[in-house]
Amino acid sequence: GENVEQHPSTLSVQEGDSAVIKCTYSDSASNYFPWYKQELGKRPQLIIDIRSNVGEKKDQRIAVTLNKTAKHFSLHITETQPEDSAVYFCAASRVNTGFQKLVFGTGTRLLVSP
Amino acid sequence: NAGVTQTPKFRILKIGQSMTLQCTQDMNHNYMYWYRQDPGMGLKLIYYSVGAGITDKGEVPNGYNVSRSTTEDFPLRLELAAPSQTSVYFCASTYRTDLNTGELFFGEGSRLTVL
Repeated sequence: GENVEQHPSTLSVQEGDSAVIKCTYSDSASNYFPWYKQELGKRPQLIIDIRSNVGEKKDQRIAVTLNKTAKHFSLHITETQPEDSAVYFCAASRVNTGFQKLVFGTGTRLLVSP
Repeated sequence: NAGVTQTPKFRILKIGQSMTLQCTQDMNHNYMYWYRQDPGMGLKLIYYSVGAGITDKGEVPNGYNVSRSTTEDFPLRLELAAPSQTSVYFCASTYRTDLNTGELFFGEGSRLTVL
């Protein structure tokens, strides 16, 4: 089955710096890669996702890149703000092939210091 | 819409007790899921359902049971609680077709402690 590894487990940056979180996946048939943000004590929420037919996707200060050959994808946050502090989870799955089972990474705790 | 509602938010159980975590959604989603979240371990799928009357095991189903008698409700039953079931439990739902990617909408979570 699919296995997703996520690094680093914790990341501390200064406000205004960029942050990058990386994930690798094992199943070459996976074609959908979402990122979820979980603020302290809150529920996870989708912030951005990418399909395998796209190499990069941006939404304001966040972007996700995908390298299918190397089987890894990354979340990029520019001009970080204290409200970006949270745990970020990557995930991978197949779509359009029956049940869509999302396999999550172990999470990255991002701390943005003012 | 209330979205995905879970109850209770907190519960302490003694070893060997049983309980049911309730989950209901009002978005007419066909897929529903139960995850557990342990520190540093991400989200692990316990059980899922693709529609009323249909359930199946996820990655970590042992010690749990589910039912899906209606589209809205997906309760998770813990039988003979063990300390290893101490965790935060999240219910989630999505509307999935063959074409869409199905963003997961999560409940607020239920923190369960087994002593």
